[in-house]
Amino acid sequence: RKEVEQDPGPFNVPEGATVAFNCTYSNSASQSFFWYRQDCRKEPKLLMSVYSSGNEDGRFTAQLNRASQYISLLIRDSKLSDSATYLCVVPASNTGKLIFGQGTTLQVKP
Amino acid sequence: GAVVSQHPSRVICKSGTSVKIECRSLDFQATTMFWYRQFPKKSLMLMATSNEGSKATYEQGVEKDKFLINHASLTLSTLTVTSAHPEDSSFYICSASWGGGEGQPQHFGDGTRLSIL
Repeated sequence: RKEVEQDPGPFNVPEGATVAFNCTYSNSASQSFFWYRQDCRKEPKLLMSVYSSGNEDGRFTAQLNRASQYISLLIRDSKLSDSATYLCVVPASNTGKLIFGQGTTLQVKP
Repeated sequence: GAVVSQHPSRVICKSGTSVKIECRSLDFQATTMFWYRQFPKKSLMLMATSNEGSKATYEQGVEKDKFLINHASLTLSTLTVTSAHPEDSSFYICSASWGGGEGQPQHFGDGTRLSIL
């Protein structure tokens, strides 16, 4: 299994739709997880941190399933401005480094 | 929130030129900063970990003599791409961890788009 794996997509959804992305990770000892958003030709920006079973921030919900080693990101009521690449990120043990998934591209259409 | 500033944002230069990129943490002290490279439609690839006051730690396959890293203060790390060639054209991004501890998120600079002609 890859250290961090995501479906690259693209996911094409209409405005207002609910969309979910999954991310699997290989290190069962990982304690924290992050979702970053990256717009085209821009730097990644932290969207959510996940330290326990999940986290919710407005239309965005992240859930963690430790048994199955996956993290999900749910976006409700999609907006055109949600179009971006969503990066699943897992810290590497004892190094301070982050391991990035290849990203899932979301395109929200009118 | 934590702010990381990167400069310049865009560089276009001739082959053989050396290019210096600065990464600054504006409102916190960063003992560790990270340098990444990203090719189009690819994920971020960690190049090296920049440690304040000591040598950088390079990832496998990254030439340390090609990509010189200096982290002379707690708020500034620099990456110099020496004798750049067209294959070095890429998006270079730095990051720093605000909390400093393991498992903390990193905050990214704006990135530098390097184009070597």
